[in-house]
Amino acid sequence: DAKTTQPNSMESNEEEPVHLPCNHSTISGTDYIHWYRQLPSQGPEYVIHGLTSNVNNRMASLAIAEDRKSSTLILHRATLRDAAVYYCILIGNAGNMLTFGGGTRLMVKP
Amino acid sequence: DVKVTQSSRYLVKRTGEKVFLECVQDMDHENMFWYRQDPGLGLRLIYFSYDVKMKEKGDIPEGYSVSREKKERFSLILESASTNQTSMYLCASSSPRGRETQYFGPGTRLLVL
Repeated sequence: DAKTTQPNSMESNEEEPVHLPCNHSTISGTDYIHWYRQLPSQGPEYVIHGLTSNVNNRMASLAIAEDRKSSTLILHRATLRDAAVYYCILIGNAGNMLTFGGGTRLMVKP
Repeated sequence: DVKVTQSSRYLVKRTGEKVFLECVQDMDHENMFWYRQDPGLGLRLIYFSYDVKMKEKGDIPEGYSVSREKKERFSLILESASTNQTSMYLCASSSPRGRETQYFGPGTRLLVL
């Protein structure tokens, strides 16, 4: 599976937007971009995924670069409950197996 | 909502003991997975199963075995626990349509003394 690169940590103030970047320069044409997050003492939780177009759901938005070599997860108004480790993952033709890298630890300040 | 449950949140075992970790999902998913998560190493796939009685090795199967006798249940077995198997163990399930979302259980934190 192609590799992703994310910053180790980011900080945000409560109720402000947060943009979490992910680089995936070796992405192949059929790889989907998935984002998961892991709250303290819990298993990872699906957030959003996309292929080429930007995507929105009740949790977040996903902005995908035109060349698909990077993407950005957008939390429109961060809350204290959004403090978690966010993982950007590529899922390709190999199927459902997920390889998680280190992720980005998001800290939200009140 | 999809629910994936794991038999224990915390477990303490002694070196050499046989350890069973159980995972149950209620969404009729064909695919089930076992991962371990260690600081600095992210999640690593141990075993997965695409159907009842089927199993495939993941990236780090050594020291582990699995059992899938029923569709909803996937067990991870440590035949003889060792201290380097102290870790967080996560179970997940998904439907088989390729690139589908995985749903994770809460994890079992295993300490082997």
